Amino acid sequence: DTGVSQDPRHKITKRGQNVTFRCDPISEHNRLYWYRQTLGQGPEFLTYFQNEAQLEKSRLLSDRFSAERPKGSFSTLEIQRTEQGDSAMYLCASSSRQGQETQYFGPGTRLLVL
Amino acid sequence: RKEVEQDPGPFNVPEGATVAFNCTYSNSASQSFFWYRQDCRKEPKLLMSVYSSGNEDGRFTAQLNRASQYISLLIRDSKLSDSATYLCVVIVGPGGYQKVTFGIGTKLQVIP
Repeated sequence: DTGVSQDPRHKITKRGQNVTFRCDPISEHNRLYWYRQTLGQGPEFLTYFQNEAQLEKSRLLSDRFSAERPKGSFSTLEIQRTEQGDSAMYLCASSSRQGQETQYFGPGTRLLVL
Repeated sequence: RKEVEQDPGPFNVPEGATVAFNCTYSNSASQSFFWYRQDCRKEPKLLMSVYSSGNEDGRFTAQLNRASQYISLLIRDSKLSDSATYLCVVIVGPGGYQKVTFGIGTKLQVIP
């Protein structure tokens, strides 16, 4: 399977714990995006990498959130001191710099904070 | 005003009907536009890119109206399998720096 993959697919944690999610983009894609989606809403942009450089961060990305893409390939999204309001689907997408920059999404990580 | 606005629906249409959705955007500098389809509890999947000249893919037609700042999606001869949420996406910014905004999505239910 050469699509975008995310791990884990589901995560249940207790409030206050730290969680880390991983995203592996399509191999030739140099752009990688993180989104958060809650029920009944569209995906909300969190952050964006071009290769290893983090070029944009939403104001939604509080200081408890951090994302990295150390070698320009896979990326991690960490949430520290989780809160119940962090419960959501976290989606990763990747795109190529060529063409119309179509983004291809991974299956998402569903986070539940108890 | 929201950056990207969609009517959340639901749109309930009979099989075979034609249905159209609009998506308005507020930033006149927006450059790239897409329609995605999202099934319940699944990730969004690209349906169509939206080009300035409009584009068609089978039963689906997408249009861009820059003057009025909206994009549209027309679905002809609706199938039961078209039932899903349709998300519009607007991207501002060329090259490296860009702002990506999704609409809330329009829910379509095609009924037999």
